[in-house]
Amino acid sequence: GAVVSQHPSRVICKSGTSVKIECRSLDFQATTMFWYRQFPKQSLMLMATSNEGSKATYEQGVEKDKFLINHASLTLSTLTVTSAHPEDSSFYICSARRQLLGTEAFFGQGTRLTVV
Amino acid sequence: EDKVVQSPLSLVVHEGDTVTLNCSYEVTNFRSLLWYKQEKKAPTFLFMLTSSGIEKKSGRLSSILDKKELFSILNITATQTGDSAIYLCAVVVDNAGNMLTFGGGTRLMVKP
Repeated sequence: GAVVSQHPSRVICKSGTSVKIECRSLDFQATTMFWYRQFPKQSLMLMATSNEGSKATYEQGVEKDKFLINHASLTLSTLTVTSAHPEDSSFYICSARRQLLGTEAFFGQGTRLTVV
Repeated sequence: EDKVVQSPLSLVVHEGDTVTLNCSYEVTNFRSLLWYKQEKKAPTFLFMLTSSGIEKKSGRLSSILDKKELFSILNITATQTGDSAIYLCAVVVDNAGNMLTFGGGTRLMVKP
């Protein structure tokens, strides 16, 4: 089956630094990928839609200058958390679907970010 | 605004019990409904439902969709401790079939 790989699975960084998270579709091309954030004991919250070759579409309340998304190829989207603060600590998950309608979304393994 | 609501928020049962998880939705452009199980990391896919009244089954899990009443249920029979997880319901709301709107999840705990 289709696989979406996310890296790193866990990262600890200092306040003020930036962290990049990668999401790759391993055996299919994804013109669109999605980035979610999950707080403890809560559901997934869509942050942004990553579009290959164009700007990402951010959900209301998500700072695009803070969460930089780049989707430079059909198999790779990156999320960079810039100038991280402790409140950015969370679980970030990407997902992608195949081109054809009617297939389930595949999720990456998720990245647990801790900002100290 | 599209809305997906799951109930109950949490549930504690004993092994062998049967549980029913609910997912109701109000969306402008329904395409399909998906169920996921999330343990410690990323969600894993369970079912995708597009047609009303057709039950999908996988082992002890089954699910059905009612497009008239705008809800779906996920049944788990003979529960086991390994069924303990968060169960997420998501609705596909765009024509391209890409965007998921998630419900809040149901946290299930199965005690021995």
